[in-house]
Amino acid sequence: KQEVTQIPAALSVPEGENLVLNCSFTDSAIYNLQWFRQDPGKGLTSLLLIQSSQREQTSGRLNASLDKSSGRSTLYIAASQPGDSATYLCAVKTDSSYKLIFGSGTRLLVRP
Amino acid sequence: NAGVTQTPKFRVLKTGQSMTLLCAQDMNHEYMYWYRQDPGMGLRLIHYSVGEGTTAKGEVPDGYNVSRLKKQNFLLGLESAAPSQTSVYFCASSYMAYEQYFGPGTRLTVT
Repeated sequence: KQEVTQIPAALSVPEGENLVLNCSFTDSAIYNLQWFRQDPGKGLTSLLLIQSSQREQTSGRLNASLDKSSGRSTLYIAASQPGDSATYLCAVKTDSSYKLIFGSGTRLLVRP
Repeated sequence: NAGVTQTPKFRVLKTGQSMTLLCAQDMNHEYMYWYRQDPGMGLRLIHYSVGEGTTAKGEVPDGYNVSRLKKQNFLLGLESAAPSQTSVYFCASSYMAYEQYFGPGTRLTVT
């Protein structure tokens, strides 16, 4: 059974710092991996989608990498800003299912 | 383009009452999903649909029913609400099995 883990559960950094959020999954047979942002009381906003054949995806200050063999993905945020404060969720889609398996998220606070 | 919209945004029900949550998308997506989000449990799939007229069970389908009569709409029904169904419900849609787009959520409290 696929399980997705995100560590740490919470992270507080000063503005301007580069940071890495981690996501690990137990079954390497994934179809794709998606990173989301969730603001308090709001829905999920898709940030990046990495297909299983890709190693990384970039969007602005965000870079997501995927290492299927080790069951890991990282989300790199460059030059963090207070507006980046949110909960970041990763989710994997397995080959045999349409559903996304979510991690519990990392709650990020960027201090001015 | 409104994307994915959900109605209502908030609702309080008494145990045993019924209600329907409506999800609508204007992206012509074939696939639609209902998730619930609970503290410490993450998001879990309730039901999903891969096309008009088709539905399937997800991880936690008990106590819920769904219908997909029109391609753009996906309804989630609670026939007899229970306190364990207090949660935030999210609808999502996708083009085939690609990137999923989420609605703003419905916060449901069952007393």
